[in-house]
Amino acid sequence: QKEVEQNSGPLSVPEGAIASLNCTYSDRGSQSFFWYRQYSGKSPELIMSIYSNGDKEDGRFTAQLNKASQYVSLLIRDSQPSDSATYLCAVKKDTGRRALTFGSGTRLQVQP
Amino acid sequence: DGGITQSPKYLFRKEGQNVTLSCEQNLNHDAMYWYRQDPGQGLRLIYYSQIVNDFQKGDIAEGYSVSREKKESFPLTVTSAQKNPTAFYLCATSIGTDSLGNQPQHFGDGTRLSIL
Repeated sequence: QKEVEQNSGPLSVPEGAIASLNCTYSDRGSQSFFWYRQYSGKSPELIMSIYSNGDKEDGRFTAQLNKASQYVSLLIRDSQPSDSATYLCAVKKDTGRRALTFGSGTRLQVQP
Repeated sequence: DGGITQSPKYLFRKEGQNVTLSCEQNLNHDAMYWYRQDPGQGLRLIYYSQIVNDFQKGDIAEGYSVSREKKESFPLTVTSAQKNPTAFYLCATSIGTDSLGNQPQHFGDGTRLSIL
């Protein structure tokens, strides 16, 4: 079992729809969770961070965390073609190490 | 401008050659990290440093070496012992002062390394 798992996709949604991206993690003690967006050939860019159970909203993005079920999700409302990218889920495990463990990413395609 | 600068953007390595990738930051961040990304894959941790003159191995350190002599700089050397070095190398930083690690990492633009 991978430490951080994501469906590789591609996830295809029409413009204006809600895109739902999911991520599960194996370390029950994980504390911090991040979503990064990565355009093809570019470096990852931080979109959202979430540390507590529940929802966190920032503009068109909502991160959802459920520690009991060990999953974190990202909702993108009113999806735009410019949202087409790979979305990486990253988790800080419950160790002294501050480095993150990344999933392999979900590729999102927003169809105009 | 504050930021993380990686150079060069593209690098080619000959057989048996060591190459060094540069990462410089002026964000005054304590922690710095090196990741490797292969096509269609997530990021894998090579080395990280939480303070000057100290660094730790990540998950795939074999064939790589680092130094952290200055807060601003964390160069990565890909040695000839790394048999499959072709990848996208990403340097990241974080403030690193929160004991829970609640400081997200920010990335440089990356270096693409290929074998000649």
